Amino acid sequence: KAGVTQTPRYLIKTRGQQVTLSCSPISGHRSVSWYQQTPGQGLQFLFEYFSETQRNKGNFPGRFSGRQFSNSRSEMNVSTLELGDSALYLCASSLGSTGGTEAFFGQGTRLTVV
Amino acid sequence: GENVEQHPSTLSVQEGDSAVIKCTYSDSASNYFPWYKQELGKRPQLIIDIRSNVGEKKDQRIAVTLNKTAKHFSLHITETQPEDSAVYFCAASRHNQGGKLIFGQGTELSVKP
Repeated sequence: KAGVTQTPRYLIKTRGQQVTLSCSPISGHRSVSWYQQTPGQGLQFLFEYFSETQRNKGNFPGRFSGRQFSNSRSEMNVSTLELGDSALYLCASSLGSTGGTEAFFGQGTRLTVV
Repeated sequence: GENVEQHPSTLSVQEGDSAVIKCTYSDSASNYFPWYKQELGKRPQLIIDIRSNVGEKKDQRIAVTLNKTAKHFSLHITETQPEDSAVYFCAASRHNQGGKLIFGQGTELSVKP
């Protein structure tokens, strides 16, 4: 069974640009969550999608957005990039009709904003 | 708001010793508490989890305890080995919040041979 796949693995962008990250969940998983990981802040929840609908949202500005497709693949978009957006972005998938099920993480996309 | 505090931030032990990592959560509605291990350059992986209707769970050298009254849960690793060296994250979530996990800040565990 294939794991969670994130593309691309690495990105370098210039301040002010926008970026789109992709996450393919484990087959059969309908929930996809996104997290930002930085050395100082740990893992911070961005948002969760379930059956193409945003089900939960963290405390990030509106520059961070996402969507989910009918095959459960999800994309995350960050507009007007700032230097502070440099981080490892992780997605996690779970069966997720309700909470309390194991979340499987992808290997992450390392975003560097210069 | 929802918050999970994790201590210590770094922990160094000798091989064979025990390690304990503690977390406190703020949301009394939280009822699922997973622990993740993240090795350097790798993705976080679930090592053990506990639900609020259970006070303790054990899996070989790893155990987790939960005190709902104090809103406190802990990870215990016995007979530590060098391959246990990693960053450990605790997390909390509610049953009705789907895949949303609130993570602690992480503990960097170093096991010295």
